[in-house]
Amino acid sequence: AQKVTQAQTEISVVEKEDVTLDCVYETRDTTYYLFWYKQPPSGELVFLIRRNSFDEQNEISGRYSWNFQKSTSSFNFTITASQVVDSAVYFCALSEVEGGADGLTFGKGTHLIIQP
Amino acid sequence: DTGVSQDPRHKITKRGQNVTFRCDPISEHNRLYWYRQTLGQGPEFLTYFQNEAQLEKSRLLSDRFSAERPKGSFSTLEIQRTEQGDSAMYLCASSLGGLAGGANEQFFGPGTRLTVL
Repeated sequence: AQKVTQAQTEISVVEKEDVTLDCVYETRDTTYYLFWYKQPPSGELVFLIRRNSFDEQNEISGRYSWNFQKSTSSFNFTITASQVVDSAVYFCALSEVEGGADGLTFGKGTHLIIQP
Repeated sequence: DTGVSQDPRHKITKRGQNVTFRCDPISEHNRLYWYRQTLGQGPEFLTYFQNEAQLEKSRLLSDRFSAERPKGSFSTLEIQRTEQGDSAMYLCASSLGGLAGGANEQFFGPGTRLTVL
């Protein structure tokens, strides 16, 4: 069965610090997709990134970067020079393709607090 | 803006009543998903449609829950004989799925918050 673990329930940092959110996943499939979503206080989930299991290249988008390591089944998310607007709950999610439906399995989320 | 919309945004009902929620996906998206999110948890997958066909249902979806997508556009989620444990945020998402499979990004609506008294 698929599972996503976000061990950090809450992280609090001061603005401009770098912060890394951890995500560890479990799956038996060889083909799968990993996602990160942001849920700001307004509540609506915002898509950040999708990565397929065959693409281990790290990705950078502005202040955001993602590190995918199949060897450790991890897909970590780093925010560089954090800003107050980054405060939100961040979810890592997994979709198994070979299992049929592509409903997402989410972790419990990490509540990120950026203090001014 | 043509994002995913959900109606109503909030619903308060008494235990035992039936409720129905509506989701309008992004117009060109052929896949539609329902999730449930409780406080402090990530969303949990309930069911999904490809066009009008309901292709997968989670074990979380008890017999009291039914979902439809009659014309492959909007979808409804009905909960019969509501229980206090049904109180949650019900999220709808849509995506563009190809014939080759794969999991494209899902775009979420604002959710319907259900409170069962």
